[in-house]
Amino acid sequence: EAGVTQFPSHSVIEKGQTVTLRCDPISGHDNLYWYRRVMGKEIKFLLHFVKESKQDESGMPNNRFLAERTGGTYSTLKVQPAELEDSGVYFCASSQGTGKYNEQFFGPGTRLTVL
Amino acid sequence: AQSVTQLDSQVPVFEEAPVELRCNYSSSVSVYLFWYVQYPNQGLQLLLKYLSGSTLVKGINGFEAEFNKSQTSFHLRKPSVHISDTAEYFCAVNLILTGGGNKLTFGTGTQLKVEL
Repeated sequence: EAGVTQFPSHSVIEKGQTVTLRCDPISGHDNLYWYRRVMGKEIKFLLHFVKESKQDESGMPNNRFLAERTGGTYSTLKVQPAELEDSGVYFCASSQGTGKYNEQFFGPGTRLTVL
Repeated sequence: AQSVTQLDSQVPVFEEAPVELRCNYSSSVSVYLFWYVQYPNQGLQLLLKYLSGSTLVKGINGFEAEFNKSQTSFHLRKPSVHISDTAEYFCAVNLILTGGGNKLTFGTGTQLKVEL
């Protein structure tokens, strides 16, 4: 069974440009999460989808970030326009079902560098 | 609010020596606790978890952790490390979200470097 995949693995862009990150969760997983790790800091929650619906986007830094999950399958995270402080590693995770605990399976991350 | 503290950003250790990676947490509710490991160029992998029951939890690759409620700690240990254990280790606590699903709050990570 394929794990969580993310594309691209690395992205280097100029300040002010737009970047779109993609996440493909494990097939059948309704829950999809985005996290971000800025260099040297902790991994922080950005948002949570259940199928195509955003359930919690309390961790989104500002309105330059837009996440979508059309059809409840893969998800995209767009940053427009990118700023220097957006640099970091963006992780996607997915889990099955709801309830007290469902293990989250993480992708390898996308390393974003904004110059 | 929940938070996780990993005081050691880097831990160097010789192969076959024991190691302890420290984690302290704060939470106003009952917690689920986790250790994740990230090997170079890979995603986060669950090492072990504490949900309830026995406070000593065993995970993969010979790691174990002990939940100590009075000290709000969840330290990770391994009696004898191997070169292949070189990786970054993250402690995390779990918050159940209103709409279902779980939100993980992570510490800043501890880089374990095993040397010959």
